[in-house]
Amino acid sequence: GAVVSQHPSWVICKSGTSVKIECRSLDFQATTMFWYRQFPKQSLMLMATSNEGSKATYEQGVEKDKFLINHASLTLSTLTVTSAHPEDSSFYICSAPRQGRNSPLHFGNGTRLTVT
Amino acid sequence: AQSVTQLGSHVSVSEGALVLLRCNYSSSVPPYLFWYVQYPNQGLQLLLKYTTGATLVKGINGFEAEFKKSETSFHLTKPSAHMSDAAEYFCAVNSGNTPLVFGKGTRLSVIA
Repeated sequence: GAVVSQHPSWVICKSGTSVKIECRSLDFQATTMFWYRQFPKQSLMLMATSNEGSKATYEQGVEKDKFLINHASLTLSTLTVTSAHPEDSSFYICSAPRQGRNSPLHFGNGTRLTVT
Repeated sequence: AQSVTQLGSHVSVSEGALVLLRCNYSSSVPPYLFWYVQYPNQGLQLLLKYTTGATLVKGINGFEAEFKKSETSFHLTKPSAHMSDAAEYFCAVNSGNTPLVFGKGTRLSVIA
């Protein structure tokens, strides 16, 4: 079964509004979670690394004021797209590693965001 | 720095034919290598992974991949394609619990 739950699976919002996406690790604690964005027919690009209890680390070119990340607990990270615009429409996927170096990263099922 | 190159953005095979999806990587440290499958509008499902040990790795749905350090490759194969294998496949690399670096993906089509 799923070990990382992502919600919502899809959302449609109007330009200028904000959207929050949740990522939960279901049966393990995740001190770190990763947020990816995938444009149509393209690969996944890392946006930011979410760290429990501290600030997120953003990749170059990702606006931290636009994509707010909060890792409030060991099982929950949220990504808020603020003042969304149509160009933010994309597929957002979170992932989390279990403890242990050989553990694979587990992915959520993704969130399809459409901004009208 | 690590990177992944997937040769061929689209591969088409007949049902029952061999599937070969190519992946080459670059890494300055011992790599951990992964293959993921993605169906439309869904997340990623892990097919198989190589971390250490045996270089021929068997995964789910009959897929396997072989880590060849001398060729810096981790090609994905399946002896006989099934219609349900049609999907997008991503090769990825990391060095432990670090973020994955993905290739651009290969779309596999299976022709009846």
